[in-house]
Amino acid sequence: DVKVTQSSRYLVKRTGEKVFLECVQDMDHENMFWYRQDPGLGLRLIYFSYDVKMKEKGDIPEGYSVSREKKERFSLILESASTNQTSMYLCASREGSLHEKLFFGSGTQLSVL
Amino acid sequence: AQKITQTQPGMFVQEKEAVTLDCTYDTSDQSYGLFWYKQPSSGEMIFLIYQGSYDEQNATEGRYSLNFQKARKSANLVISASQLGDSAMYFCAMSYSSASKIIFGSGTRLSIRP
Repeated sequence: DVKVTQSSRYLVKRTGEKVFLECVQDMDHENMFWYRQDPGLGLRLIYFSYDVKMKEKGDIPEGYSVSREKKERFSLILESASTNQTSMYLCASREGSLHEKLFFGSGTQLSVL
Repeated sequence: AQKITQTQPGMFVQEKEAVTLDCTYDTSDQSYGLFWYKQPSSGEMIFLIYQGSYDEQNATEGRYSLNFQKARKSANLVISASQLGDSAMYFCAMSYSSASKIIFGSGTRLSIRP
């Protein structure tokens, strides 16, 4: 079974802190994604990566950056966390074809105080 | 611009009834894919069904079927004989050929009444 692992289930950080959310997949998938989920807004794409060191902005990249140094790992970075970044963060991966489904991690609930 | 719209924030349905969850999409791509995911209260995202833009037949997976109307740009999920365990959030999503990304709608919360 494909496994997408997010390093933390719950995280509490202070305003202004630099925050790293880590995601690892074990199926050699080309594409990896970071979404945030907020009530009433669904899943919104922050960043995605279609290959090592390649990244593209999603719909809401402001305040975030990403890193993909190895194929299996995709990190989301909040350079200076703010309270409006309190949210559920979901990582996902898939093969490169547009017909392929996403496999999701279990999510990280981030609270910024 | 690519967009997915789910107009039903919440729905209540009696157990054993069929239910249709609406999804409309907007894309200028000719090749695209449409997905439905279920998210129960546990938070996990469960893939339900997929429809490709060139598929002539509507997709079916057990009690789930996708009513694909290409001209109307709609991809509604139909759940037959609903069960209590179907209570969850449901998300419609689209992938398209001009980018590697998948975008989601805002979701529908389905509640099944016993």
